[in-house]
Order: sequence, then C-alpha cells, then structure tokens
Amino acid sequence: KAGVTQTPRYLIKTRGQQVTLSCSPISGHRSVSWYQQTPGQGLQFLFEYFSETQRNKGNFPGRFSGRQFSNSRSEMNVSTLELGDSALYLCASSLAGTGSGANVLTFGAGSRLTVL
Amino acid sequence: EDKVVQSPLSLVVHEGDTVTLNCSYEVTNFRSLLWYKQEKKAPTFLFMLTSSGIEKKSGRLSSILDKKELFSILNITATQTGDSAVYLCAVGYSGTYKYIFGTGTRLKVLA
Repeated sequence: KAGVTQTPRYLIKTRGQQVTLSCSPISGHRSVSWYQQTPGQGLQFLFEYFSETQRNKGNFPGRFSGRQFSNSRSEMNVSTLELGDSALYLCASSLAGTGSGANVLTFGAGSRLTVL
Repeated sequence: EDKVVQSPLSLVVHEGDTVTLNCSYEVTNFRSLLWYKQEKKAPTFLFMLTSSGIEKKSGRLSSILDKKELFSILNITATQTGDSAVYLCAVGYSGTYKYIFGTGTRLKVLA
C-alpha cells in the first residue's frame, strides 16, 4: 500500500510569505503528526491530529498551524516566514489505538523549505 | 524538562565492525522507545521497545531497553556500507501523542 505522501517536496519562499504543506497518511492511519527537522535541533514536534482534532502541540509560535480533514489528510501552514523556518518538515502517520504497534510513526519523505 | 540524548554524535567504522549506539532519556510516564534509520529521505522504523518488550532483534541489528537506568542501545554487527545513516531514537510517554527525538548518531561505514 502507498506510504505517507508529502507535497511539495521542495519549495523556496522569502521572508514574510506564508506556506502550506500537505500530507496524505497511509490508508487506515488516523493519526498524523508533524515534525520540524534542522541540523542543530534534530526533530522537533509540531503537532498531532486525530479525527480532525489537535491533541498535542509542540513549543512553536502561533505562526505554525495545522489541520486535519475528514479523510485524515493533513495540512500545516506557516505564516510570516522567517529565515529560521528553513527546515525539513516531516509528516508521520500512525494507526493510533491500543495495540503494540499502533503508535509506530511512519514518516513521509518530507517537504524541504528554504526561506530566503 | 523531558529529553533524549544520543551518543556518540558520530562515528566512523570499517565494514565488519560491530557498533553500539546509545540513547538515554528523561521523561515522565515512559510509554515506548523507537529506533529509526534515516538516510537521505524519510526515517525508517527499526524497533519499538516497551515495558513488555525490552529486547528486539532483526538480522544484524538488535536493541535492548533498560527501564531502570533509562537507556537503550542499538547494536549493529558485521556492519556494511549500507548501514551508513543517521540513527534516531525517540521516546513516547503516556498521556500524549508526541515523541521526543534525540539529535541522532551519524554512522559512516567504510569499505
């Protein structure tokens, strides 16, 4: 079955602009998480969605937002871009539930954002 | 503050060597620890360790979890050049749906 699909894969923006990234989870996976990956900080948790509800949010400013649709697809938006927002944005999906493997994250290839 | 620390940050070995990667953590209400391998793309899942599964093995890779001392190790025996990657450790804790990741160990295996 298809993996986690993220679009676009690469994008370049300038400071002050806004960007929207998209993530389609594995079919049947109901939880979608977003992480920011930078060389200095590693993977930092942004937020997690389940059934269109945000259940957890990381320590990022309000410029970072997201949502999940009824088909479990998710988008994240970053407004008023800053140079420091340049990073690889990774989306991960999981089944969610009580089984031992239900919370294993399966990652997409990421969207690499460069802010000039 | 919850944190996950991996060591070493990087290492270079030759094919056939055995390597041990370390992951220590400080989190409240530990639920699970995951190991991932990341090459120039998405991190790929290796192992999940929990209270009910503290030792895992798959081929040349194995991992153990010490819940008392709050650490995990990932062992790779008979390393191959294809093992060259960044290895990530992530810890999840009860009551949340997020994972805290370490900064990773960059492994380079020379032919």
